Amino acid sequence: SQTIHQWPATLVQPVGSPLSLECTVEGTSNPNLYWYRQAAGRGLQLLFYSVGIGQISSEVPQNLSASRPQDRQFILSSKKLLLSDSGFYLCAWSVWGQAEKLFFGSGTQLSVL
Amino acid sequence: GENVEQHPSTLSVQEGDSAVIKCTYSDSASNYFPWYKQELGKRPQLIIDIRSNVGEKKDQRIAVTLNKTAKHFSLHITETQPEDSAVYFCAASKASGGSYIPTFGRGTSLIVHP
Repeated sequence: SQTIHQWPATLVQPVGSPLSLECTVEGTSNPNLYWYRQAAGRGLQLLFYSVGIGQISSEVPQNLSASRPQDRQFILSSKKLLLSDSGFYLCAWSVWGQAEKLFFGSGTQLSVL
Repeated sequence: GENVEQHPSTLSVQEGDSAVIKCTYSDSASNYFPWYKQELGKRPQLIIDIRSNVGEKKDQRIAVTLNKTAKHFSLHITETQPEDSAVYFCAASKASGGSYIPTFGRGTSLIVHP
């Protein structure tokens, strides 16, 4: 069966520090991968999605970036965090060809202080 | 791009009552409409979905209706229970290059009072 792992669960970082959140999927090949941010009252905001290795589409211009170095690995990064980057970050995947159903990871609560 | 509006933002009901959450979308090409439930501190999970070739779909106490002409769809929960308390998200999406990129509504916080 397929599973998605996302870590860390909680992260407290000072303003200006770098960020690296990692997500891996097991039990499937060539998944579509997504990064969402959830801020209070704003629902689920799509940040990046990827349909293959090295293929990243950005939905929201900001100081975050994403990379997909391996088929089932998706990384969200920042060189310098801003206070506004605080939020709940969710990784998700879907099956290529049945891509409409998303399966979410357990999320990372990021607090930038 | 697609725009999804969801109402109400908060819904408070008594146990046993029905709850209705409504969403509208802007892109007439959208053809898949999922609903996700997110319990406090947990990940969103798909609870029901509907495609544009269907007007209504039921799964036990949950039903979703779709009006393509008016571009709105709704989630109906009957005989609500305290465990139904959660944030519910609607979404609209269409196929694009082998993937679906859903646009989510802002969510409805449903509170079911025992």
